[in-house]
Amino acid sequence: GENVEQHPSTLSVQEGDSAVIKCTYSDSASNYFPWYKQELGKRPQLIIDIRSNVGEKKDQRIAVTLNKTAKHFSLHITETQPEDSAVYFCAAGRSGDKLIFGTGTRLQVFP
Amino acid sequence: DAMVIQNPRYQVTQFGKPVTLSCSQTLNHNVMYWYQQKSSQAPKLLFHYYDKDFNNEADTPDNFQSRRPNTSFCFLDIRSPGLGDAAMYLCATSRDRQTQYFGPGTRLLVL
Repeated sequence: GENVEQHPSTLSVQEGDSAVIKCTYSDSASNYFPWYKQELGKRPQLIIDIRSNVGEKKDQRIAVTLNKTAKHFSLHITETQPEDSAVYFCAAGRSGDKLIFGTGTRLQVFP
Repeated sequence: DAMVIQNPRYQVTQFGKPVTLSCSQTLNHNVMYWYQQKSSQAPKLLFHYYDKDFNNEADTPDNFQSRRPNTSFCFLDIRSPGLGDAAMYLCATSRDRQTQYFGPGTRLLVL
Protein backbone atom coordinates (compact mmCIF):
# COMPACT_ATOMS: atom_id res chain seq x y z
CA GLY A 1 0.00 0.00 0.00
CA GLU A 2 0.91 3.66 -0.05
CA ASN A 3 3.66 4.67 2.32
CA VAL A 4 5.42 7.85 3.46
CA GLU A 5 8.81 7.64 5.14
CA GLN A 6 9.99 10.55 7.25
CA HIS A 7 13.49 11.30 8.56
CA PRO A 8 14.91 12.03 11.00
CA SER A 9 12.67 10.92 13.85
CA THR A 10 14.30 13.43 16.19
CA LEU A 11 16.25 16.58 15.40
CA SER A 12 17.99 18.93 17.81
CA VAL A 13 19.31 22.29 16.66
CA GLN A 14 20.66 25.44 18.23
CA GLU A 15 18.48 28.52 18.05
CA GLY A 16 19.20 30.38 14.84
CA ASP A 17 20.34 27.30 12.93
CA SER A 18 18.38 25.72 10.09
CA ALA A 19 16.40 22.48 10.30
CA VAL A 20 15.56 20.14 7.45
CA ILE A 21 13.08 17.27 7.53
CA LYS A 22 12.76 14.88 4.60
CA CYS A 23 9.94 12.65 3.40
CA THR A 24 9.74 10.05 0.67
CA TYR A 25 6.44 8.76 -0.72
CA SER A 26 5.60 5.65 -2.70
CA ASP A 27 2.46 6.57 -4.66
CA SER A 28 3.52 8.32 -7.86
CA ALA A 29 -0.04 9.62 -8.28
CA SER A 30 0.26 11.74 -5.11
CA ASN A 31 -0.17 15.41 -5.93
CA TYR A 32 -0.65 17.14 -2.58
CA PHE A 33 1.97 17.40 0.17
CA PRO A 34 1.10 19.20 3.41
CA TRP A 35 3.21 19.70 6.52
CA TYR A 36 1.67 19.81 9.97
CA LYS A 37 3.16 21.10 13.22
CA GLN A 38 1.87 19.59 16.43
CA GLU A 39 2.79 21.01 19.81
CA LEU A 40 2.36 18.83 22.87
CA GLY A 41 -1.31 18.19 23.61
CA LYS A 42 -2.51 20.36 20.73
CA ARG A 43 -4.00 19.84 17.30
CA PRO A 44 -1.92 19.26 14.18
CA GLN A 45 -1.69 22.67 12.53
CA LEU A 46 -1.16 23.05 8.80
CA ILE A 47 1.94 25.20 8.32
CA ILE A 48 2.61 24.88 4.61
CA ASP A 49 1.59 22.70 1.69
CA ILE A 50 2.69 22.19 -1.89
CA ARG A 51 1.04 20.73 -4.94
CA SER A 52 2.75 18.73 -7.64
CA ASN A 53 2.75 21.51 -10.21
CA VAL A 54 5.13 23.52 -8.01
CA GLY A 55 8.74 22.69 -7.08
CA GLU A 56 9.20 25.03 -4.13
CA LYS A 57 7.08 27.18 -1.87
CA LYS A 58 8.15 29.64 0.82
CA ASP A 59 6.37 31.31 3.69
CA GLN A 60 8.64 33.51 5.76
CA ARG A 61 11.05 31.19 7.60
CA ILE A 62 9.62 27.94 6.28
CA ALA A 63 9.91 26.44 2.82
CA VAL A 64 9.00 23.17 1.20
CA THR A 65 10.69 21.62 -1.84
CA LEU A 66 9.29 18.83 -3.99
CA ASN A 67 11.14 16.45 -6.31
CA LYS A 68 8.47 14.43 -8.14
CA THR A 69 11.00 12.37 -10.07
CA ALA A 70 12.63 11.12 -6.89
CA LYS A 71 9.32 11.14 -5.00
CA HIS A 72 10.58 13.13 -2.07
CA PHE A 73 9.82 16.45 -0.44
CA SER A 74 11.44 18.40 2.35
CA LEU A 75 10.62 21.01 4.96
CA HIS A 76 13.21 23.71 5.62
CA ILE A 77 13.03 25.97 8.66
CA THR A 78 15.56 28.79 8.80
CA GLU A 79 16.55 30.90 11.81
CA THR A 80 14.93 28.44 14.16
CA GLN A 81 13.39 29.68 17.40
CA PRO A 82 12.47 27.80 20.61
CA GLU A 83 8.78 28.11 19.67
CA ASP A 84 9.49 25.99 16.58
CA SER A 85 9.95 23.03 18.94
CA ALA A 86 7.19 20.52 18.14
CA VAL A 87 6.48 17.30 16.26
CA TYR A 88 6.27 17.82 12.50
CA PHE A 89 4.32 15.46 10.24
CA CYS A 90 4.55 15.31 6.49
CA ALA A 91 1.77 13.78 4.43
CA ALA A 92 1.05 12.87 0.84
CA GLY A 93 -2.22 12.42 -0.96
CA ARG A 94 -3.87 12.28 -4.34
CA SER A 95 -6.93 14.22 -5.43
CA GLY A 96 -10.05 13.09 -3.60
CA ASP A 97 -8.21 10.50 -1.54
CA LYS A 98 -7.00 10.29 2.04
CA LEU A 99 -3.70 11.65 3.30
CA ILE A 100 -0.90 9.25 4.13
CA PHE A 101 1.10 10.61 7.05
CA GLY A 102 4.77 10.21 7.81
CA THR A 103 5.85 8.97 11.23
CA GLY A 104 6.76 12.41 12.54
CA THR A 105 9.91 14.31 13.51
CA ARG A 106 10.39 15.70 16.98
CA LEU A 107 12.25 19.00 16.59
CA GLN A 108 13.92 20.55 19.61
CA VAL A 109 15.39 24.03 19.34
CA PHE A 110 17.75 24.89 22.16
CA PRO A 111 18.22 28.54 23.20
CA ASP B 1 -13.35 32.77 13.58
CA ALA B 2 -14.47 29.77 11.53
CA MET B 3 -13.32 26.63 13.19
CA VAL B 4 -13.58 22.98 14.08
CA ILE B 5 -14.86 22.34 17.60
CA GLN B 6 -14.65 19.13 19.55
CA ASN B 7 -16.46 18.23 22.73
CA PRO B 8 -15.61 17.23 25.29
CA ARG B 9 -11.91 18.01 25.36
CA TYR B 10 -11.32 15.27 27.92
CA GLN B 11 -13.46 12.18 28.38
CA VAL B 12 -13.08 9.50 31.00
CA THR B 13 -15.06 6.31 30.55
CA GLN B 14 -15.12 2.86 32.02
CA PHE B 15 -14.04 -0.27 30.25
CA GLY B 16 -16.95 -1.42 28.09
CA LYS B 17 -19.13 1.67 28.67
CA PRO B 18 -20.25 3.29 25.40
CA VAL B 19 -18.99 6.78 24.75
CA THR B 20 -19.77 9.43 22.12
CA LEU B 21 -17.43 12.17 20.99
CA SER B 22 -18.70 15.11 18.99
CA CYS B 23 -17.31 17.41 16.35
CA SER B 24 -18.85 20.52 14.86
CA GLN B 25 -17.61 22.95 12.25
CA THR B 26 -18.47 26.44 11.09
CA LEU B 27 -16.41 26.15 7.90
CA ASN B 28 -19.26 24.57 5.92
CA HIS B 29 -16.86 21.95 4.62
CA ASN B 30 -18.48 18.91 3.06
CA VAL B 31 -15.83 16.41 4.20
CA MET B 32 -15.33 15.42 7.83
CA TYR B 33 -12.74 12.96 9.13
CA TRP B 34 -12.13 11.10 12.37
CA TYR B 35 -8.59 10.18 13.36
CA GLN B 36 -7.14 8.30 16.31
CA GLN B 37 -3.73 9.45 17.55
CA LYS B 38 -1.63 7.71 20.19
CA SER B 39 1.36 9.30 21.97
CA SER B 40 3.06 11.33 19.20
CA GLN B 41 2.36 8.75 16.52
CA ALA B 42 0.91 9.91 13.25
CA PRO B 43 -2.87 10.36 13.18
CA LYS B 44 -4.60 7.19 12.00
CA LEU B 45 -7.68 7.67 9.84
CA LEU B 46 -10.73 5.78 11.12
CA PHE B 47 -13.34 6.95 8.60
CA HIS B 48 -14.62 9.99 6.80
CA TYR B 49 -17.80 11.45 5.36
CA TYR B 50 -18.02 13.10 1.99
CA ASP B 51 -21.36 14.84 2.46
CA LYS B 52 -23.51 11.92 3.64
CA ASP B 53 -21.36 9.30 1.95
CA PHE B 54 -19.62 7.26 4.67
CA ASN B 55 -16.16 5.81 3.98
CA ASN B 56 -14.74 3.34 6.47
CA GLU B 57 -11.06 2.41 6.58
CA ALA B 58 -10.49 -1.32 6.15
CA ASP B 59 -8.67 -1.69 9.47
CA THR B 60 -11.08 0.34 11.61
CA PRO B 61 -12.51 -1.96 14.30
CA ASP B 62 -16.28 -2.57 14.30
CA ASN B 63 -16.29 -1.08 17.79
CA PHE B 64 -16.04 2.36 16.17
CA GLN B 65 -19.08 3.87 14.50
CA SER B 66 -19.90 7.32 13.20
CA ARG B 67 -22.92 9.49 12.47
CA ARG B 68 -23.26 12.69 10.54
CA PRO B 69 -26.77 14.09 11.00
CA ASN B 70 -26.03 17.30 9.08
CA THR B 71 -23.18 19.24 7.45
CA SER B 72 -22.04 20.84 10.70
CA PHE B 73 -21.94 17.88 13.07
CA CYS B 74 -20.24 14.51 13.16
CA PHE B 75 -20.13 11.99 16.01
CA LEU B 76 -17.78 9.17 16.90
CA ASP B 77 -19.35 6.33 18.88
CA ILE B 78 -17.19 3.77 20.63
CA ARG B 79 -19.54 0.95 21.53
CA SER B 80 -17.39 -0.95 24.03
CA PRO B 81 -14.17 0.93 24.81
CA GLY B 82 -11.15 -1.15 25.70
CA LEU B 83 -7.93 -0.02 27.34
CA GLY B 84 -6.31 0.05 23.91
CA ASP B 85 -8.78 2.71 22.75
CA ALA B 86 -7.33 5.32 25.06
CA ALA B 87 -6.00 7.97 22.71
CA MET B 88 -6.51 11.45 21.31
CA TYR B 89 -9.39 11.54 18.84
CA LEU B 90 -9.08 14.23 16.20
CA CYS B 91 -11.77 15.51 13.91
CA ALA B 92 -10.77 17.25 10.69
CA THR B 93 -12.65 18.93 7.87
CA SER B 94 -11.91 19.66 4.25
CA ARG B 95 -13.55 21.59 1.44
CA ASP B 96 -11.50 20.09 -1.40
CA ARG B 97 -10.75 16.59 -0.03
CA GLN B 98 -7.10 17.60 0.24
CA THR B 99 -6.39 20.44 2.68
CA GLN B 100 -7.51 19.29 6.12
CA TYR B 101 -8.11 21.41 9.20
CA PHE B 102 -8.01 19.70 12.57
CA GLY B 103 -10.05 20.31 15.67
CA PRO B 104 -8.39 20.48 19.10
CA GLY B 105 -9.08 16.82 19.80
CA THR B 106 -10.72 14.84 22.59
CA ARG B 107 -8.41 12.92 24.89
CA LEU B 108 -10.11 9.67 25.90
CA LEU B 109 -9.10 7.82 29.03
CA VAL B 110 -10.48 4.31 29.65
CA LEU B 111 -10.46 3.05 33.23
